[in-house]
Amino acid sequence: DAKTTQPPSMDCAEGRAANLPCNHSTISGNEYVYWYRQIHSQGPQYIIHGLKNNETNEMASLIITEDRKSSTLILPHATLRDTAVYYCIVRVFNNAGNMLTFGGGTRLMVKP
Amino acid sequence: KAGVTQTPRYLIKTRGQQVTLSCSPISGHRSVSWYQQTPGQGLQFLFEYFSETQRNKGNFPGRFSGRQFSNSRSEMNVSTLELGDSALYLCASSSNRQGTGSPLHFGNGTRLTVT
Repeated sequence: DAKTTQPPSMDCAEGRAANLPCNHSTISGNEYVYWYRQIHSQGPQYIIHGLKNNETNEMASLIITEDRKSSTLILPHATLRDTAVYYCIVRVFNNAGNMLTFGGGTRLMVKP
Repeated sequence: KAGVTQTPRYLIKTRGQQVTLSCSPISGHRSVSWYQQTPGQGLQFLFEYFSETQRNKGNFPGRFSGRQFSNSRSEMNVSTLELGDSALYLCASSSNRQGTGSPLHFGNGTRLTVT
């Protein structure tokens, strides 16, 4: 699976959009981009994933660049409850298995 | 739809003992994975089961084992517990549906403390 690079930490003002970047310059054509977040002492929470196209759900939007070498997770109106560690993961989905490799993630602090 | 359920939520054991943790996946999910999370090593993959067969295994000693039942529920066992086994153990399930990317959904884990 391709390696990802994320900033270790970011701040965001409450009510503003949080834009979390992820670099995955070695991504291959059949690898998906997944975003998870983890709030202290809880299990990672799935947020969104995509292959080539931008995706949006009730939690967030995922913007993938045309060359697929980077992506941005957008939380449109951040709240204090969005304070968490956010993980960007790239992996192939096939019958070989469902293993995820977690890096260090980005610690997002939403401030009042 | 109910999420991934892990029991127990907290567990305290003594060195040398063994422990069994349980995971009930989301209904319809046939893939179940286990992860260990510690402050020093982060989230690390233990193993994955699909249709009662171990499909992948991480780099952990043989003291760590698991199984999956015909109803997709899974258990993991750690024998001869060591202090370093103190961690949050997370279970995740996936539908494994082709063409969808099939994300993993995690439970809230079992916090194991070894004394």
